[in-house]
Amino acid sequence: EIVLTQSPGTLSLSPGARVTLSCRASQSVSSNYLAWYQQKLGQAPRLLIYGAFSRATGIPDRFSGSGSGTDFTLTISRLEPEDFAVYYCQQYGRSPITFGQGTRLEIK
Amino acid sequence: QVQLVESGGGLVNPGGSLRLSCAASGFTFSEYYMSWFRQAPGKGLEWVSSISSAGISIYYADSVKGRFTISRDNAKNSLYLQMNSLRAEDTAVYYCARVMHRFLHGLDAFDIWGQGTMVTVSS
Repeated sequence: EIVLTQSPGTLSLSPGARVTLSCRASQSVSSNYLAWYQQKLGQAPRLLIYGAFSRATGIPDRFSGSGSGTDFTLTISRLEPEDFAVYYCQQYGRSPITFGQGTRLEIK
Repeated sequence: QVQLVESGGGLVNPGGSLRLSCAASGFTFSEYYMSWFRQAPGKGLEWVSSISSAGISIYYADSVKGRFTISRDNAKNSLYLQMNSLRAEDTAVYYCARVMHRFLHGLDAFDIWGQGTMVTVSS
């Protein structure tokens, strides 16, 4: 199975900051089938990005995805208070579907 | 609106059984692959099982194969997960989720998630 490694594990930042989260795959993700989710405490995951760079419906344009092959990033251009949450990457290019272990974004 | 609502979670003894349900509304349920995911307390997300739109193709994670059974009733817009021989490590919030794209396979991003139902396996 494809193992996804996210870094860093935790980030402490202030609102207004720009942040880049990393997701590295143990093997190439075919067709860039890589998604990013946001999860707040006690809530279900929310799809942000699919196909490595396409924003899901209703997602603000401060969220952007990039990358290909084995290295992917999620960038939040300017952190809003509601963006502090845990972020997961997910690959769906090969079965089984796998997730990274998550990056926690904390308010500094 | 488009919605998934899980039910059926609870406390069960090791070795016991539980059946989860997921009620779908606001979209044509029969056109989409559906999946179950789980999240152990304080841990990340894990894919559990997927089922094709007509219920013909079914897939399981190795960790649940032979113990869990996924099914669906398109007439009732419902998805199910029968969980047998439950273990402590099955303790988690279980989510049902819909793939983004109609009529495609189960390898997809998931744009609609239920709120989750907690399953606790403990004596």
